[in-house]
Amino acid sequence: DQQVKQNSPSLSVQEGRISILNCDYTNSMFDYFLWYKKYPAEGPTFLISISSIKDKNEDGRFTVFLNKSAKHLSLHIVPSQPGDSAVYFCAASPREWSGGGADGLTFGKGTHLIIQP
Amino acid sequence: DGGITQSPKYLFRKEGQNVTLSCEQNLNHDAMYWYRQDPGQGLRLIYYSQIVNDFQKGDIAEGYSVSREKKESFPLTVTSAQKNPTAFYLCASSPYRWETQYFGPGTRLLVL
Repeated sequence: DQQVKQNSPSLSVQEGRISILNCDYTNSMFDYFLWYKKYPAEGPTFLISISSIKDKNEDGRFTVFLNKSAKHLSLHIVPSQPGDSAVYFCAASPREWSGGGADGLTFGKGTHLIIQP
Repeated sequence: DGGITQSPKYLFRKEGQNVTLSCEQNLNHDAMYWYRQDPGQGLRLIYYSQIVNDFQKGDIAEGYSVSREKKESFPLTVTSAQKNPTAFYLCASSPYRWETQYFGPGTRLLVL
């Protein structure tokens, strides 16, 4: 059972426009959320995170929004640039031991963002 | 420069052979992790270690073993019991448990 879901395997956006990547989670014990960017054959790079006490966190062109009641978060990239073309992973973590299963981050399957010129 | 290094970048394994993937970090992080990525899949946790001389199984630990004798090193051995070892292996570390994880460049393991 996937606890972190990224339902769009790919997303195509025109350069200069806004890219919106979505992520849903099911485990109510998750209270720390992260986005990673990954190029082929490289390790993921940490982009931005948000704690459950906030509903928005901004860092330059990247903004993450968290809707706890809907168990949904999204990453907005404005404006989108060619170098943003990559796979984006959403990840979640409890801040306390939630019991059962493995520790560490739980990742979604990723969304491949393609920025078109 | 502080960071996480993984070696080798590519590794070839023969049938029935054990191979060891190296992971070193100089970030002074307590926690270290090993993940596996398969095509079209997210990252799946193999093993993690919160502190030296301690490690725990992740979701897919069968056929793998680890050790954590030093804070900066967390090698992963892919044993002959792992029937489908071809994948991209990623090592990560974090200051402590549940904190943001930082990843190494990865090792691609191929079976001959």
